[in-house]
Amino acid sequence: EVHLVESGGGLVQPGRSLRLSCAASGFTFGDFAMHWVRQAPGKGLQWVSGISRNSGNIGYADSVKGRFTISRDNAKNSLYLQMNSLRAEDTALYYCAKVSSGSWYGDAFDIWGQGTLVTVSS
Amino acid sequence: EIVLTQSPDFQSVPPKEKVTITCRASQSIGSSLHWYQQKPDQSPKLLIKYASQSFSGVPSRFSGSGSGTDFTLTINSLEAEDAATYYCHQSNSFPWTFGQGTKVEIK
Repeated sequence: EVHLVESGGGLVQPGRSLRLSCAASGFTFGDFAMHWVRQAPGKGLQWVSGISRNSGNIGYADSVKGRFTISRDNAKNSLYLQMNSLRAEDTALYYCAKVSSGSWYGDAFDIWGQGTLVTVSS
Repeated sequence: EIVLTQSPDFQSVPPKEKVTITCRASQSIGSSLHWYQQKPDQSPKLLIKYASQSFSGVPSRFSGSGSGTDFTLTINSLEAEDAATYYCHQSNSFPWTFGQGTKVEIK
């Protein structure tokens, strides 16, 4: 069975850093682009960042560009999100998501993790 | 950035009735439009990909249509378990974006 399990969330002060991880199982991780999507409490979904299967293509939302860094380790079946200079508005449930057919453009997110909560507050 | 506008924001519908949710893109996105269902305290689930392709295991009462800028999610014969928020999502051009969501309540 295909699974994505996020970890690394928690309470952090503004300006500090946090690293999220997403452990994948049940599929050939290196064959699929992966993404991070977040959801602030009571709000809708916001795409954060994505990375192609070989890390050759990477994209970020303008709101996190320059502060967040996405990466992956195909040998470890893992996706990461390094979050620096955190702000209160980054408070959200962070989901990792797998694309349905491996493509970089045009693809849907067919599998989502359960999310890890990041709270930025002093 | 491509803006996706869903309508309505909220819909209260009796069981067995038909539900129609629309998603309008601020510019043409071809068929790179996908629909998700999110129930309270759950992760989003893919319903429809590429505007009209049903995802594996999704009940046949869910269907999608459209291309370019105008898209529709239809739920035929609404069931109690369909109470949820529905989101459209475009992956035609960066940054990927989502609609604001449509909450469907069972009347």
